[in-house]
Amino acid sequence: GQQVMQIPQYQHVQEGEDFTTYCNSSTTLSNIQWYKQRPGGHPVFLIQLVKSGEVKKQKRLTFQFGEAKKNSSLHITATQTTDVGTYFCAGSYTGGFKTIFGAGTRLFVKA
Amino acid sequence: EAQVTQNPRYLITVTGKKLTVTCSQNMNHEYMSWYRQDPGLGLRQIYYSMNVEVTDKGDVPEGYKVSRKEKRNFPLILESPSPNQTSLYFCASSLSVVTSGSSYEQYFGPGTRLTVT
Repeated sequence: GQQVMQIPQYQHVQEGEDFTTYCNSSTTLSNIQWYKQRPGGHPVFLIQLVKSGEVKKQKRLTFQFGEAKKNSSLHITATQTTDVGTYFCAGSYTGGFKTIFGAGTRLFVKA
Repeated sequence: EAQVTQNPRYLITVTGKKLTVTCSQNMNHEYMSWYRQDPGLGLRQIYYSMNVEVTDKGDVPEGYKVSRKEKRNFPLILESPSPNQTSLYFCASSLSVVTSGSSYEQYFGPGTRLTVT
């Protein structure tokens, strides 16, 4: 079946270091969304990527969608303690209405 | 305030005792969905609904039922809960994916932590 693989599962960084999480699908995605979930909270939408090769930035966060629309990444520059949480990618496939979430990457930031 | 509400937030029950988790949204969204979240597995979609009276299975529908009689409500029903349904459940809603052919951001409820003993 359709799967979205996300790595790494955990990442510990020192405050100020960069962080990247990657998502990969075996089949072409129609779009990909990114969500952040703070500890004890619910997922909150960050961004959606639709076009092949698309790159979007939100302050220190950079989101990329691969040329083949099978992979995506989220990069955080100079992490802060407020960045802690779990980051999920979520993909949709052409002609379908399901949403497939990656397993998430939990980010720990040490001050 | 635009929001998705779920009730109850916490529930401890016993095997076999039917239960319903309610979900309601006030944003006039067509698309609603239920997910369960388990450690290491992310969020897995149980059922989704594209509009009133239109529902379909997600990836893990076994043991669950849903209904969509009104646009704002999308209850999740466990007819005979079992311990493997112990999980954190999220309801979510978004604008229509059918008419536009595109996905939209999903708004999540606060979650319902269910324990089945």
